[in-house]
Amino acid sequence: QVQLVESGGGVVQPGRSLRLSCEASGFTFSGYGMHWVRQAPGKGLEWVTFIWYDGRKKDYADSVKGRFTISRDNSRNTLYLQMDSLRAEDTAVYYCARFIGGDFEGRFDYWGQGTLVTVSS
Amino acid sequence: QSALTQPRSVSGSPGQSVTISCTGSSSDVGGSNYVSWYQHLPGRAPKLMIYDVSKRSSGVPDRFSASKSGNTASLTISGLLAEDEADYYCCSYVGSYTWGFGGGTKLTVL
Repeated sequence: QVQLVESGGGVVQPGRSLRLSCEASGFTFSGYGMHWVRQAPGKGLEWVTFIWYDGRKKDYADSVKGRFTISRDNSRNTLYLQMDSLRAEDTAVYYCARFIGGDFEGRFDYWGQGTLVTVSS
Repeated sequence: QSALTQPRSVSGSPGQSVTISCTGSSSDVGGSNYVSWYQHLPGRAPKLMIYDVSKRSSGVPDRFSASKSGNTASLTISGLLAEDEADYYCCSYVGSYTWGFGGGTKLTVL
């Protein structure tokens, strides 16, 4: 069965960096686009970033552009999110999600359980 | 601020029906055939309920239905059950390789 398992969350000081991982299993990882979505405490879901199945295309929400970098290693079935220059407002549970459909016409059909990132001094 | 607007909360008694709206613009909901809806329980992974505006995801009961009119998508849950109590989010492609979620609606089953 499809499984997505996030890891790498934790407490980090403002301005520092953190790298999240999302290990995929149960499907051909290299055949799907992948996204990160986050949920700040008491807030709703916020789309963060995506990457094509082959890594050639990626984009970011304005709130993280220039600070976050998405990448993937299809040989390791793993998605990454490198988060630099972290701010208090980046505090959230971060979910990875599989995207099924075309380049942009589709939906998030499987999600991980999330990993909590807390940015605090 | 979310790209898409949802009511913060709705409620209904068991057996009743409720409808959750999701209002965007002609650039997203109004111009997209790919609106989706997600059910989210605290501490759990969000679950895809509806995709392509009105198609039920595998295993989702037919009590859940959805539609779109103009710039507003709607999710209707009929025959409410206690287990339907959750947060519900709409989602749409909003252009330039970005996606937007609604602010979320908390469904309370009275």
